[in-house]
Amino acid sequence: GAGVSQSPRYKVAKRGQDVALRCDPISGHVSLFWYQQALGQGPEFLTYFQNEAQLDKSGLPSDRFFAERPEGSVSTLKIQRTQQEDSAVYLCASSLSEVGQTAFFGQGTRLTVV
Amino acid sequence: AQKITQTQPGMFVQEKEAVTLDCTYDTSDQSYGLFWYKQPSSGEMIFLIYQGSYDEQNATEGRYSLNFQKARKSANLVISASQLGDSAMYFCAMREARDDKIIFGKGTRLHILP
Repeated sequence: GAGVSQSPRYKVAKRGQDVALRCDPISGHVSLFWYQQALGQGPEFLTYFQNEAQLDKSGLPSDRFFAERPEGSVSTLKIQRTQQEDSAVYLCASSLSEVGQTAFFGQGTRLTVV
Repeated sequence: AQKITQTQPGMFVQEKEAVTLDCTYDTSDQSYGLFWYKQPSSGEMIFLIYQGSYDEQNATEGRYSLNFQKARKSANLVISASQLGDSAMYFCAMREARDDKIIFGKGTRLHILP
């Protein structure tokens, strides 16, 4: 596709359930970013890939959060044993890997933990 | 310490007036890029404008311009002739060459009044 695609768009999970969020970046984009955005706040950095290498995971809030990009294309963000504070919109973005390159965002996945 | 600071949580502006959204940043890198994004209530993240740290001219894109003052580490967004459709959240972001990840500010909610 032409843009960044995220699925599902909406996810309701019961507390304690595991969830997996998918991101399909723009073809050829080396860099892939995951962000968490609470209501009315700015996107908070979670993790960053360059191809299949996870170069920075300093923003992952706990060891319940795990991200992978095994073939350097599609990425999955997994949250184990979800908690209410995990409720947020999870945004994925991709770009070419240079400081001047714009990151293009997907529509996000809205996760609600009940 | 915050890398990107947006000091205006909300702004109200009359339609057709110009508006300036403030952004200051903190980096020790010589090479970095600054971005502005718009996020309407629909939630999509729309790229508006980019300024490179080595660019001598202020960036312009249609009604958007970036007032880049490198010594002050500020990168304010100026929207000329505001329109009702400009009502949205606006985020300033920075990408440093040394680690390549993109960091966002907390945003400014802009309301355009008819």
